[in-house]
Amino acid sequence: SQQGEEDPQALSIQEGENATMNCSYKTSINNLQWYRQNSGRGLVHLILIRSNEREKHSGRLRVTLDTSKKSSSLLITASRAADTASYFCATDARNTPLVFGKGTRLSVIA
Amino acid sequence: KAGVTQTPRYLIKTRGQQVTLSCSPISGHRSVSWYQQTPGQGLQFLFEYFSETQRNKGNFPGRFSGRQFSNSRSEMNVSTLELGDSALYLCASSLAWVINEQFFGPGTRLTVL
Repeated sequence: SQQGEEDPQALSIQEGENATMNCSYKTSINNLQWYRQNSGRGLVHLILIRSNEREKHSGRLRVTLDTSKKSSSLLITASRAADTASYFCATDARNTPLVFGKGTRLSVIA
Repeated sequence: KAGVTQTPRYLIKTRGQQVTLSCSPISGHRSVSWYQQTPGQGLQFLFEYFSETQRNKGNFPGRFSGRQFSNSRSEMNVSTLELGDSALYLCASSLAWVINEQFFGPGTRLTVL
């Protein structure tokens, strides 16, 4: 299975600190995406990085991809209480649907 | 544009019953995917439809089925409900198949008693 696995499972930080979450996967991929989910609601797409890209930025988000290690990281800088959510990585390969990891639960304490 | 809508939002059923969930994608989106989310198994892919054709199916029993209509709206059906079917069912739409970002609906919370 190419299922991604996020690490850590849970993370608690103070407002203003940076949060880093990691994702590892097992097989070659075309793309890797990160999603956020607030308290059992729908997921919101954050960023997509293609297998030939190494780093991508979007606002306070920075995503890196290391295909040799089959891993990705999501960095949220200057975190806010509103960033409290679960974060999922999702991978896809040729002719396969998105496969999600189990997620990292981030708590940002004001 | 209106987002992805799912109906109903909450549903309570008993074992052995069947249920139909509905999903309306964002206007212009032709791909609709369904996922089951539980605390134990996480997000699991059910199936994906594109232009009324099922393109992919996950590892779920035949009790789980779906379809897509010509207006891209999709339904999924679960027959002979089991306690383990209690979950949040999420629908997502995208412009094309898979590699684009998926836009998720708020989900249908199904409780099987």
